[in-house]
Amino acid sequence: KAGVTQTPRYLIKTRGQQVTLSCSPISGHRSVSWYQQTPGQGLQFLFEYFSETQRNKGNFPGRFSGRQFSNSRSEMNVSTLELGDSALYLCASSLGQNNEKLFFGSGTQLSVL
Amino acid sequence: DQQVKQNSPSLSVQEGRISILNCDYTNSMFDYFLWYKKYPAEGPTFLISISSIKDKNEDGRFTVFLNKSAKHLSLHIVPSQPGDSAVYFCAARGSGNTGKLIFGQGTTLQVKP
Repeated sequence: KAGVTQTPRYLIKTRGQQVTLSCSPISGHRSVSWYQQTPGQGLQFLFEYFSETQRNKGNFPGRFSGRQFSNSRSEMNVSTLELGDSALYLCASSLGQNNEKLFFGSGTQLSVL
Repeated sequence: DQQVKQNSPSLSVQEGRISILNCDYTNSMFDYFLWYKKYPAEGPTFLISISSIKDKNEDGRFTVFLNKSAKHLSLHIVPSQPGDSAVYFCAARGSGNTGKLIFGQGTTLQVKP
């Protein structure tokens, strides 16, 4: 069974640009969550999608948005990039039930110059 | 306000000995706890979890202990192996928040041969 796949693996953008990151969950998983990892803030929850609906949201500005498609694949978008958005963006998937572990992808390393 | 804290940024242990990683939390609504292992520029890998209705869970060399009254959990690795060297994250989840994990800042474990 293939794991969680994130593309692209690395990305370099400049301030003010926008970026779209993609995540394909494990087959059969309907919940996709996104996390940001930075050296200063650690791993922080961005949002969760389940059956194409946002089910939970973290404390990030509206520049961070996401969506989920009918095949459970998810995209995350960051508009008007700032230097502080440089981070490893991680996607995780699960069946979406309680007391369940999340399976993480390898992440997209975003550098904003 | 950091709801999950790992107060030891690093830990060094001799191969074959026990590694004990600690985690404290403040939110009594957390009902599920997980430990993840992470290498740089990769996604976290699930190790072991525990529900708040239990106080211990074992899986091979890994045991997690939960002390609800102290709001404290710990991960024991016995015996420690050089391949265990990585960053270990403690994470907590509130009831119903299936995809939303609150992570600690991580503890870097080094197991010396």
